[in-house]
Amino acid sequence: SQKIEQNSEALNIQEGKTATLTCNYTNYSPAYLQWYRQDPGRGPVFLLLIRENEKEKRKERLKVTFDTTLKQSLFHITASQPADSATYLCALPPNDYKLSFGAGTTVTVRA
Amino acid sequence: DAGVIQSPRHEVTEMGQEVTLRCKPISGHDYLFWYRQTMMRGLELLIYFNNNVPIDDSGMPEDRFSAKMPNASFSTLKIQPSEPRDSAVYFCASSLGRNTDTQYFGPGTRLTVL
Repeated sequence: SQKIEQNSEALNIQEGKTATLTCNYTNYSPAYLQWYRQDPGRGPVFLLLIRENEKEKRKERLKVTFDTTLKQSLFHITASQPADSATYLCALPPNDYKLSFGAGTTVTVRA
Repeated sequence: DAGVIQSPRHEVTEMGQEVTLRCKPISGHDYLFWYRQTMMRGLELLIYFNNNVPIDDSGMPEDRFSAKMPNASFSTLKIQPSEPRDSAVYFCASSLGRNTDTQYFGPGTRLTVL
């Protein structure tokens, strides 16, 4: 069956450090992968999309990599700030018209 | 644009009662999605519509759940009768087209069934 696994543990890091989140998947052949951010009491908000032919993508302090051989995406938050504290979800398409989401990784950045 | 609008934001009801959740997607978006989020199961897709037509309802847990989209600007998710295990946060999302496009989520409805 298709499965998406994200860091099982919450991530607690010091302000200014880099947070690295993992998203591993099985039984998918995704043409792309998306990352979303979710704050408590709110809906997920889209952050980045990376396609299978893109090894790396950046947006401000965010960097995403996508390794289709390892079936893994890494999500990095560099120079982290307390405002980056949230839950981060990866999402993959089981078909062309919908997304399946991972359970998410909660990041807490300490000042 | 106001974004995706959902109502009510919170709903508390008793087991056996009918519950109706409402969603107004972003104008011009052709796809509408209903999700349910719980601690145990995460974010699950229940059903999605394209141009007001239900395309895939394989995620709807059972016959007690039904969804409609009578026009491009309104959708409902109904649970009848409700059960305590239906307690969750229900999100509506919309997008312009195929799933390479960003999905825009509403604020969610927190449902508690006593």
